[in-house]
Amino acid sequence: GIQVEQSPPDLILQEGANSTLRCNFSDSVNNLQWFHQNPWGQLINLFYIPSGTKQNGRLSATTVATERYSLLYISSSQTTDSGVYFCAFTGGGNKLTFGTGTQLKVEL
Amino acid sequence: DAGVIQSPRHEVTEMGQEVTLRCKPISGHDYLFWYRQTMMRGLELLIYFNNNVPIDDSGMPEDRFSAKMPNASFSTLKIQPSEPRDSAVYFCASSPGGERYFGPGTRLTVT
Repeated sequence: GIQVEQSPPDLILQEGANSTLRCNFSDSVNNLQWFHQNPWGQLINLFYIPSGTKQNGRLSATTVATERYSLLYISSSQTTDSGVYFCAFTGGGNKLTFGTGTQLKVEL
Repeated sequence: DAGVIQSPRHEVTEMGQEVTLRCKPISGHDYLFWYRQTMMRGLELLIYFNNNVPIDDSGMPEDRFSAKMPNASFSTLKIQPSEPRDSAVYFCASSPGGERYFGPGTRLTVT
């Protein structure tokens, strides 16, 4: 199956800092999404981004499908951004596979 | 739209008991997925339906697990008999094709 590498695995930021999270894939993927799992366990859709760039407030994402990676940018981080960030994708079928996640902690 | 609705949000049961988890997908979504999340294995796809028909149940761990979707607005995941190793958070997700939308999850504890 398709291998995904999510980096960094852990990240600690001071409030107000910016960060970039990355997912690299071993093959072409479809239906790429970014999720935030908050400390209460809820999986929140951030972006559906098979290709191109999208922005939503302080967050933006870019997927370069031809180079098999996707990036999630968090600007001016806040404590409420803490949690785990997952990229997820489908290969040839409908099975959505999740990366191992980036654990983010934003401190005051 | 209220999003994907799951019930109960928390379930504590004793080993050997039957557990039924429920899901109401977003109206108009043709796909429904059941996932399980544990610390050891992360998020795993258990089964998914397309237009109420089970398409892939290869992720269902064993015969103790069963899932149904009697209509477009309701699905159940049943575990009988439950075991402590079934303790996990179970998520339901729906999709119109492409983007997935997840419910809040059911935290199951089997003692």
